[in-house]
Amino acid sequence: QKEVEQNSGPLSVPEGAIASLNCTYSDRGSQSFFWYRQYSGKSPELIMFIYSNGDKEDGRFTAQLNKASQYVSLLIRDSQPSDSATYLCAVDRGSTLGRLYFGRGTQLTVWP
Amino acid sequence: GAVVSQHPSRVICKSGTSVKIECRSLDFQATTMFWYRQFPKQSLMLMATSNEGSKATYEQGVEKDKFLINHASLTLSTLTVTSAHPEDSSFYICSAEKTSGGAHEQFFGPGTRLTVL
Repeated sequence: QKEVEQNSGPLSVPEGAIASLNCTYSDRGSQSFFWYRQYSGKSPELIMFIYSNGDKEDGRFTAQLNKASQYVSLLIRDSQPSDSATYLCAVDRGSTLGRLYFGRGTQLTVWP
Repeated sequence: GAVVSQHPSRVICKSGTSVKIECRSLDFQATTMFWYRQFPKQSLMLMATSNEGSKATYEQGVEKDKFLINHASLTLSTLTVTSAHPEDSSFYICSAEKTSGGAHEQFFGPGTRLTVL
């Protein structure tokens, strides 16, 4: 079983819609969860992190965490064409602070 | 902000040569930096954890004698790919860990695309 799994996509949504990205993880000891955005040929950039169960909102982005279900998601409201990228879910390795497992990413396309 | 730079951004070399990649945290000190490799359409794979003033910790399957890491200061870590071969061609990305208020965030450099001929 892979440590971090993401819905494979690609995901395509119209401009203005809500994009929903999902991620599950296997290490129950994980405490920190991150969403990164990666444009083609570029390195990842941090969008959000979440540590506690529930929702965390930052502008158009909302991260949701459910540790019991080992599930973390990212919602993007009012999606824009500029949001088109690959979204990587990253989870810390519970036993080793700082080291992250990355999912393979979900490619999102927002069409005008 | 948290800015991390990498140099060079792109390098092409002949098989058998060595290539050094620098990773710098520009506006914060990073005790810990990480080196990743990413093949096309694949996720980031952690190669090693670089700790200032001590030896790097390598992930299973990563040859420490081939991928030399030196973390000489709180703002600089280097990765040297020794005797590079075509299968080492990849996108190498470093990240620097910023610790603030108990939170540990990783900020990524722009990456180095290595092509070995």
